[in-house]
Amino acid sequence: QSALTQPASVSGSPGQSITISCTGTSSDVGSYNLVSWYQQYPGKAPKLKIYEVSKRPSGVSNRFSGSKSGNTASLTISGLQAEDEADYYCSSYAGSGTWVFGGGTKLTVL
Amino acid sequence: EVQLVESGGGLVQPGESLRLSCAASGFTFSSYWMHWVRQAPGKGLVWVSRINGDGSSTNYADSVKGRFTISRDNANNTLYLQMNSLRAEDTAVYYCAKVNAYHFDSWGQGTLVTVSS
Repeated sequence: QSALTQPASVSGSPGQSITISCTGTSSDVGSYNLVSWYQQYPGKAPKLKIYEVSKRPSGVSNRFSGSKSGNTASLTISGLQAEDEADYYCSSYAGSGTWVFGGGTKLTVL
Repeated sequence: EVQLVESGGGLVQPGESLRLSCAASGFTFSSYWMHWVRQAPGKGLVWVSRINGDGSSTNYADSVKGRFTISRDNANNTLYLQMNSLRAEDTAVYYCAKVNAYHFDSWGQGTLVTVSS
């Protein structure tokens, strides 16, 4: 049950695109198309942005997109906006009724 | 609208126990798996435990197995986490979360548990 690996921080200017990676193993990310992404503002609860690798919940901007290749999943935010500045976490089903999260990535909008 | 409201957090000494509650509304509580996820101060999210709709199946993270017990009362739409033998490393905000398939689609606001002498 080791945490998925995310970069500690990423940054971008308004209007640009950024990508956050999430690297796991063949036992979690690599085995299941069950990666989800969450946005968390300081002191607030996480909010679902992407599920099942690339699906967007109703109400989530199409500026958010997800993908996966092998043991690594990615979240891309296009047309970066100030309101996107937050922490982002990936999560994957890890088998045997367990889940694993990434360590989190702090997104700074310059 | 789905609402999840945690309670029961507080300051306890190492080795003591605490029971967290999560009051659910806005959905058919008994139809969904429910989870607990925690977040130590300044750290990332960590999955803790899950329970199925009728309470007959549970799973735990290795770090809490044997010390924590998840349960639910479907008559009162409430999820619980009984935490025994608490350690300093259990200090965290504890969130209850509703799961839809394999993703956490609704979260409570969290309740802070502090384990310190």
